[in-house]
Amino acid sequence: GAGVSQTPSNKVTEKGKYVELRCDPISGHTALYWYRQSLGQGPEFLIYFQGTGAADDSGLPNDRFFAVRPEGSVSTLKIQRTERGDSAVYLCASSSTGFYGYTFGSGTRLTVV
Amino acid sequence: GENVEQHPSTLSVQEGDSAVIKCTYSDSASNYFPWYKQELGKRPQLIIDIRSNVGEKKDQRIAVTLNKTAKHFSLHITETQPEDSAVYFCAASSQNFNKFYFGSGTKLNVKP
Repeated sequence: GAGVSQTPSNKVTEKGKYVELRCDPISGHTALYWYRQSLGQGPEFLIYFQGTGAADDSGLPNDRFFAVRPEGSVSTLKIQRTERGDSAVYLCASSSTGFYGYTFGSGTRLTVV
Repeated sequence: GENVEQHPSTLSVQEGDSAVIKCTYSDSASNYFPWYKQELGKRPQLIIDIRSNVGEKKDQRIAVTLNKTAKHFSLHITETQPEDSAVYFCAASSQNFNKFYFGSGTKLNVKP
């Protein structure tokens, strides 16, 4: 596609529920990243994929968070037993090998009530 | 890990004046420093970047400077316009650019 696509754009869920956030990177981009941006803060790294494998998941806050990228393209961020503190904008970005700047998607605004 | 600090948190300038935003980083291994502009409700967009082998880079009205010894880098916007109003984030990266550490952002307001 022309840009990084994230769905849904907004998600409201009840505390304790499970949610999935989807990211469709720019076609051909092998690297994919998930970040979380809380209100008034800069994006915070969660996980990085190179191809199908998670090359660095050191930013995932706890074991309720998990992400997959089974075919090396679309990625899904999964959050179990959501908590109110998970409320934030979840940003996905992609880049091609050897290019240093990211292209971010528009994000998914997650609100846990 | 890396720690990026950014200041000021808010900056208000008159249209046509210059604006400077400063960031410091802690990890001497960091070697890539991008700047992102984020308008309200929009995605962060890369506006300029600099690698550690360069001291300064310009692109029309914006420029970035890097002092590796002091571990700080700055964004300079000249002849500011109202459409420059946004939140600006600096970031630092090492580890082959696979992870960015962002500053907390500067809200720039350009008054017409």
